[in-house]
Amino acid sequence: KNQVEQSPQSLIILEGKNCTLQCNYTVSPFSNLRWYKQDTGRGPVSLTIMTFSENTKSNGRYTATLDADTKQSSLHITASQLSDSASYICVVSANSGLIFGTGTLLAVQP
Amino acid sequence: NAGVTQTPKFQVLKTGQSMTLQCAQDMNHEYMSWYRQDPGMGLRLIHYSVGAGITDQGEVPNGYNVSRSTTEDFPLRLLSAAPSQTSVYFCASSYSAREIYGYTFGSGTRLTVV
Repeated sequence: KNQVEQSPQSLIILEGKNCTLQCNYTVSPFSNLRWYKQDTGRGPVSLTIMTFSENTKSNGRYTATLDADTKQSSLHITASQLSDSASYICVVSANSGLIFGTGTLLAVQP
Repeated sequence: NAGVTQTPKFQVLKTGQSMTLQCAQDMNHEYMSWYRQDPGMGLRLIHYSVGAGITDQGEVPNGYNVSRSTTEDFPLRLLSAAPSQTSVYFCASSYSAREIYGYTFGSGTRLTVV
C-alpha cells in the first residue's frame, strides 16, 4: 500500500534554531516529492519539489533532500523564525495520484 | 489574481441537510480537485476534474457530488449531510493533473455536521 509517513508528529524549537523534518514513503512507482507548508486555517502552500533524480532543493531557509534509494526525504529549516510555525506536509506523486503525509506540526517559540 | 477562492469559510449543518461548497479559480487551470482533511490523516481526494464537463471520483467520493460546467468553478455538493462529513475541505487547482506543476489550494471550508 502506498504510504507517506512523517516524523516527528510535532516539534517545538526556539527562534533562531535549526530543525529537520523527516518523510519516509513506500510509494511506487515514484514520480516526484513535494513539501508543503500549511499555516493554521489556511491551505497548503508549496515549498519545494524534487523528482527522483534530484538530491537536494533549496528555497530560502528551507532545504529539502531526497534519497530515492532509501525512499526518504527531509526538510531542513535554518535559523527558524516565528512565522515558520505551521504544519509541514510531505506529498508524493504516484500513478494513482497524490499521497499525503499527515504532517509535522512545528511550533517556533521566542 | 485571487487564486483559488472557497466559500463559505465556516458552516454548520444539521444531519440530513444539503449544501454546496463553492470553489472558483481565476488562473485558467484545467485541473481542479476537492480534498478533505481530518485530524491525524493526510488530505484525501474526494473528486477531481481534468477540464470542463469532465469529473471523476477520488479516494473518498461517497456522499458527495461535483460538476464542472465552466473552467473556473468546481462546486462540491453534499446531498444529505452526515456527522462523518465533519471535516475541513480544500479545493485545489493546477495546470494539469501532473503534480509537477504544483497545486494551488484554497483557504478551506470548515464544516461541522451535528
